[in-house]
Amino acid sequence: DTGVSQDPRHKITKRGQNVTFRCDPISEHNRLYWYRQTLGQGPEFLTYFQNEAQLEKSRLLSDRFSAERPKGSFSTLEIQRTEQGDSAMYLCASSPPQAAGNTIYFGEGSWLTVV
Amino acid sequence: SQKIEQNSEALNIQEGKTATLTCNYTNYSPAYLQWYRQDPGRGPVFLLLIRENEKEKRKERLKVTFDTTLKQSLFHITASQPADSATYLCALVYSSASKIIFGSGTRLSIRP
Repeated sequence: DTGVSQDPRHKITKRGQNVTFRCDPISEHNRLYWYRQTLGQGPEFLTYFQNEAQLEKSRLLSDRFSAERPKGSFSTLEIQRTEQGDSAMYLCASSPPQAAGNTIYFGEGSWLTVV
Repeated sequence: SQKIEQNSEALNIQEGKTATLTCNYTNYSPAYLQWYRQDPGRGPVFLLLIRENEKEKRKERLKVTFDTTLKQSLFHITASQPADSATYLCALVYSSASKIIFGSGTRLSIRP
């Protein structure tokens, strides 16, 4: 499968613990996006990268959230000191250079439950 | 800030009929408007894209319209099938370098 890959698919963690999600985009896609989605809502933008540069970061992303894409390939999203409000599906998406209308391709998401 | 409104109520349609979903937005019009399909527990899948200067776009049984005066897009599925049951998301793109902003989606159910 050459789609966007996310790992782990499910994570249950205790409040206060740190969690890290990994995203492997489609090969040769230079843009990578992170979104968060809760039940009944659409995906909420968190941040995006073009190659290794983080070009935009949502104000929703508190200091407890950090994302990296060190070599312009895979990306990680880390949440420190998790809170119950962080429970959501974290979606990664990627797009190729000059994608028509910025069409993006999503992974299957990483579900986070904070207990 | 930009707001996107989609039918908050689920839409229930008889198989074979045309389903019409609405996406309304505030403020200025995007350069592109996209529609995605999302099945429960899965990531969204891109369906169609329409540009600001286009009025209508078709792909098989799907049709999208874009009215920048009304600030509205309509998404039609003709000859609907139970397999079309899913949540449909509208998304706005303001430039090729910008993020994509999603609506909250409309859940569509097609009954046999």
